[in-house]
Order: sequence, then C-alpha cells, then structure tokens
Amino acid sequence: QKEVEQDPGPLSVPEGAIVSLNCTYSNSAFQYFMWYRQYSRKGPELLMYTYSSGNKEDGRFTAQVDKSSKYISLFIRDSQPSDSATYLCAMSDDKIIFGKGTRLHILP
Amino acid sequence: GAVVSQHPSWVICKSGTSVKIECRSLDFQATTMFWYRQFPKQSLMLMATSNEGSKATYEQGVEKDKFLINHASLTLSTLTVTSAHPEDSSFYICSAIDSVEQYFGPGTRLTVT
Repeated sequence: QKEVEQDPGPLSVPEGAIVSLNCTYSNSAFQYFMWYRQYSRKGPELLMYTYSSGNKEDGRFTAQVDKSSKYISLFIRDSQPSDSATYLCAMSDDKIIFGKGTRLHILP
Repeated sequence: GAVVSQHPSWVICKSGTSVKIECRSLDFQATTMFWYRQFPKQSLMLMATSNEGSKATYEQGVEKDKFLINHASLTLSTLTVTSAHPEDSSFYICSAIDSVEQYFGPGTRLTVT
C-alpha cells in the first residue's frame, strides 16, 4: 500500500459547483497536512496547511483532516474556471510525502 | 509571501552533457532547500535535501555523483545533472523552508535529446 493515495482524475465540474478532493494515507505518524495547487508547467503553490485533525477555512477553500479514518479533503466552493489545475495533497512527520495530484477542470 | 526562483525555466541539452539548475530564495534566507523531480502524471519525488555549508542528503535510489547539489549560500542552491541521458528528462522543482512553510520554485523543465 502506498503511503499516500490520491485519485488522479481528471475531475470535471461545472462552474459554481462545490468540488471535493480527497486523499487517504497509511502512516498514522503524519501530523502536518497540506494541499498544493499546481498550474500546468508551474511549481506547486501552498493552498492550505493543517496541523492534526479538524477543519480549516480560507475563503472558498476548506481543508478537512480525519486522522481516525486517515482521510483528508479539500473543498472548493463556488468553483471558478481559474481553479482548473492539479491539486496535490501532502503530509509529513519528518519528511513530506506528496500524492500524485488530481487534475481538476472547471467548465465555464 | 516568500518567493523562490529557478533558472533556467526550460532547458534542452544533448545526451552526455551537464546541466546546472539554480534555485534562489529571493527575500528570505534558507538554510535548507529541497530538490524534487516530477515525471508526467506522477507525484513530486524528493531527490535530496540541500543544507547550506554541508553536503546534501540524497534519497535512496538517487545517484549523488550524477545529481550534484551545492548549497554555497543561504539564498542559493544548485543542482547539476551530469552526463545527462534522455531518461533524466523531467520537471525539476526546488523548494525552501521559511520557518514553517515550504515555498516552491516555478520548476525547470529539462529535455535531454
């Protein structure tokens, strides 16, 4: 079993819809959980950063961590075409491990 | 937020030659920088951890004699791909840590012909 599993997509949703992106993991030692957004041919940029379990909200983005289920989510409300990108989850204890990324397409 | 730059953004080289990629933290000092490689539709894979003033720490399976890393100052780390082969073609990304957060460079796309 891979340490971090993420559905590669692509995921296509209409503009304005709520998007749900998810990752599962196997290492219960992970304490820090992150979501990165990566546009084509660009480096990843940090979107959300969460320590331990719970929810964190930043504008249209909400990150959710459920350590009991080893499951993290990123919700995007009122999705926009500019949100079209690849979203990578990442988690760490002493070393950061990335998911493969989910390609998201927001259809105008 | 903090900015990390990479140069060049895109490079093509012939098989057997060497290529140097620079990673700079523009507005903060980074004692630690990381080098990643990303193949198409794959996750970022950590290649090595670059520490200012000391030798880099390479991940298992990464040839340290092929991927030379130098972190000569608190704002600059370089990755040199020596004797490049077509299978080295990839997207190379560096990152640097500013206290807690990790900031990524824009990446360098290397194509070896």
